[in-house]
Amino acid sequence: AQRVTQPEKLLSVFKGAPVELKCNYSYSGSPELFWYVQYSRQRLQLLLRHISRESIKGFTADLNKGETSFHLKKPFAQEEDSAMYYCALSGVGGSNYKLTFGKGTLLTVNP
Amino acid sequence: DTGVSQNPRHKITKRGQNVTFRCDPISEHNRLYWYRQTLGQGPEFLTYFQNEAQLEKSRLLSDRFSAERPKGSFSTLEIQRTEQGDSAMYLCASSLPSQGDEQFFGPGTRLTVL
Repeated sequence: AQRVTQPEKLLSVFKGAPVELKCNYSYSGSPELFWYVQYSRQRLQLLLRHISRESIKGFTADLNKGETSFHLKKPFAQEEDSAMYYCALSGVGGSNYKLTFGKGTLLTVNP
Repeated sequence: DTGVSQNPRHKITKRGQNVTFRCDPISEHNRLYWYRQTLGQGPEFLTYFQNEAQLEKSRLLSDRFSAERPKGSFSTLEIQRTEQGDSAMYLCASSLPSQGDEQFFGPGTRLTVL
């Protein structure tokens, strides 16, 4: 069974501090990993996906297959980063449509 | 707004009533997904369409739930004989494989069953 675990329900940091949102996954095979973000009163949107290897809004995430992790990092948090963050995975190939989400981490960046 | 739209945005109903939600995907997106999100949880996959064909239904989708996408464009999700446990946010998403298959989400329909 595929599963995504986000161990922190809440994370609070000060502006300018580094931030790391943890994500671990369980999947038999090679999944595709994503981070989705939901800002207050907005819809869920894709932040980044591991295959694109991009840095979006200063965030990066590296897939560690050995540790089955896909932690989201940003060196200097900004107040506008405050949001709900969801880690998600999908299969590759025939089952690449279905996203399995973690429970989410609410990030608060304090001034 | 050319994004995914969902109607209604909110629905309050009494237990035992039937409800129907509508999702309009981004134009030309041939894949459409329904998810359900309850308080404190991430979205959970319910079902998936490629064009008008419903290709997978989650075990979460009991016999009281039915989804259609008759012409491969908009989709409807119907819940019959609603129960209090059906109270949730119902999310729709669409994607196009030739454009990276990124799933774009709608604003959701919040269902409250009294």
